[in-house]
Amino acid sequence: DQQVKQNSPSLSVQEGRISILNCDYTNSMFDYFLWYKKYPAEGPTFLISISSIKDKNEDGRFTVFLNKSAKHLSLHIVPSQPGDSAVYFCAASSPGETSGSRLTFGEGTQLTVNP
Amino acid sequence: EAGVAQSPRYKIIEKRQSVAFWCNPISGHATLYWYQQILGQGPKLLIQFQNNGVVDDSQLPKDRFSAERLKGVDSTLKIQPAKLEDSAVYLCASSFNSGRVYNEQFFGPGTRLTVL
Repeated sequence: DQQVKQNSPSLSVQEGRISILNCDYTNSMFDYFLWYKKYPAEGPTFLISISSIKDKNEDGRFTVFLNKSAKHLSLHIVPSQPGDSAVYFCAASSPGETSGSRLTFGEGTQLTVNP
Repeated sequence: EAGVAQSPRYKIIEKRQSVAFWCNPISGHATLYWYQQILGQGPKLLIQFQNNGVVDDSQLPKDRFSAERLKGVDSTLKIQPAKLEDSAVYLCASSFNSGRVYNEQFFGPGTRLTVL
C-alpha cells in the first residue's frame, strides 16, 4: 500500500530553468508534508515543508505547493542549479501521540540539472 | 554540532548470518528512528524510540530484526538471521522534541548492507 507516490523516477532540466517535482498521496489523515534531498552516500537532508492548513510555502529558490482536494503536492526549484542534482523524496506525516511522528516516504525522483 | 553517526558504513554478509548496526544520535535528541531503504524505494520506518522506550515498531519484522536503545542515547539494530531481501541501506535519524506537532528529523549517512 503505497500511500505516498512519486510517479517520475527521474527528471532532467537545464540550468536556470524551473524544476517541478510532483508527489501524490492517498491518506487523508496526513497533515504535514516535507521534501528531503539526498546526495549519493549521504543521508536525506530536510529541504522544505508545508502544513495542511497552507497551500504554499516558499524558501528562497524552493517553493512547495499543496492541493489538498487533489491530494497532490509539488516542489518548484527556480532557477535550477547543477548543485541541485540529487534524489528528492516527498514525505508525509500524520498526527501522532508523541512529537516526531512517523514519516511515510515516496520512492524518490532523481533530478539532474545540466549546465 | 556533530550530526548523526552510524557504523559501519558498508557491510557484506552471507544469508543466515547475523549483523548489527550502530547509531549515535545528535546530542539532546530524545527521539531516534531506524529506517530501511531498499534500492529504488523511499525509506521505510522500522522502529521509533522516545528516549529508551519503543514508540512504534509496527513495521519491524520481529522474527529476525531487533533494536535497542538502552540508555536513551546510542542504539543498535540487529538482523538475525539475514535474508537476501534485507539488502538495503539502513538509515538512523534523530529529532529534538520541541513540543511542536512535527519535529525535523536529521539523518545519518546510513549503512549499506549486502546479503549474498
